[in-house]
Amino acid sequence: QVQLQESGPGLVKASQTLSLTCTVSGGSINSESYYWSWIRQPAGKGPEWIGRIYLSGRTNYNPSLKSRLTISVDTSKNQFSLKLSSVTAADTAVYYCARGIAGHLIWGQGTLVTVSS
Amino acid sequence: QSALTQPASVSASPGQSITISCTGTSSDIGGYNYVSWYQHHPGKAPKLMISDVSNRPSGVSSRFSGSKSGNTASLTISGLQAEDEAEYFCSSYTSTDTLVLFGGGTKLTVL
Repeated sequence: QVQLQESGPGLVKASQTLSLTCTVSGGSINSESYYWSWIRQPAGKGPEWIGRIYLSGRTNYNPSLKSRLTISVDTSKNQFSLKLSSVTAADTAVYYCARGIAGHLIWGQGTLVTVSS
Repeated sequence: QSALTQPASVSASPGQSITISCTGTSSDIGGYNYVSWYQHHPGKAPKLMISDVSNRPSGVSSRFSGSKSGNTASLTISGLQAEDEAEYFCSSYTSTDTLVLFGGGTKLTVL
């Protein structure tokens, strides 16, 4: 059964770049059947879709984040990554990675990222 | 304010049934059958309970069911059990550039 685990700094300074990695276990990321997503959830709010990447490298980004966002995949490490630049306090949230097919997702446990001033 | 609207909370006693609504628009829920429901216990990975409006993945209890009418999707849980107490949120494909919308989540309390 596939499992996903987010990793990265839990504290990022404002204006810097937030970088997270998702490690996939129990299955290969090297599959054209799935896409690989990032979602975040600020405290007390609903989840927000960040974006996704396919094995081909094709990406779809949330328009509200697109100018600051890069999602990439490393098949050799069975990982995919998120980089969000110029962060502010509004980017403080639990960040989740997920595997998607059609319209539904299998999620990781999430990791809290706090943006400090 | 989330893109899809859910009640903030719902509560019921063990053995009873509840229904959680998720309201969107014709650009998302009303226009496509790509509605999913997730169960989220704090500190754990959200778990897919319903996909494509009403499909129940393998391993999910038959007490969970999904439906849709117009721009509103619903999750029904019958025969409530203590372990059902969790947050539930919906998601839908949208024809806008955002592609995926989520609800704000509903906290289910089993009394």
